Amino acid sequence: GEDVEQSLFLSVREGDSSVINCTYTDSSSTYLYWYKQEPGAGLQLLTYIFSNMDMKQDQRLTVLLNKKDKHLSLRIADTQTGDSAIYFCAETPDRGGFQKLVFGTGTRLLVSP
Amino acid sequence: EPEVTQTPSHQVTQMGQEVILRCVPISNHLYFYWYRQILGQKVEFLVSFYNNEISEKSEIFDDQFSVERPDGSNFTLKIRSTKLEDSAMYFCASSERGTHYGYTFGSGTRLTVV
Repeated sequence: GEDVEQSLFLSVREGDSSVINCTYTDSSSTYLYWYKQEPGAGLQLLTYIFSNMDMKQDQRLTVLLNKKDKHLSLRIADTQTGDSAIYFCAETPDRGGFQKLVFGTGTRLLVSP
Repeated sequence: EPEVTQTPSHQVTQMGQEVILRCVPISNHLYFYWYRQILGQKVEFLVSFYNNEISEKSEIFDDQFSVERPDGSNFTLKIRSTKLEDSAMYFCASSERGTHYGYTFGSGTRLTVV
């Protein structure tokens, strides 16, 4: 079955870059996503990448995909205290229809001043 | 920006009781979902709903659970005969054209079964 794994915790200083890593098992994944969850809030879609891409950049966010190793990363440049949140990696298994999302455990990012 | 609204934000219920969790998806969205997150665990898919019927459900979504879109705007999750292990955060989501365009999630309902 599908499985998505992430490290649980990352601590960085304000202004540094953060890199959050994710590994997945389903080689047929078509889309991979990064969601952000702030305290008391829902899951906010940050960005996604299609499986035929290896990089996507969106302002301070850079997503890297190594499909051979089934490894996905999210780099946040110039990390701010407002970036403190839980970041979830998710993938869509390619089975057609109304694909569900398979989530990782989430990585709690703590940004200190 | 359009939002998915969930009510209540927190519900406490006694074991064995029935609960209904309510969601108002974004108005032009056609696909609806429920997910849950038990404290400290992964966000898990429960069910997807399209065209007034369930399109996919997980193993978790057994006869204890049901979903309904009673009036064209609300989307509800009913949990019958609640158990302690049903305590979790329940997230509703909707999407306009399916997963590939990303979901919009609600803020969640924290269900506590005592």
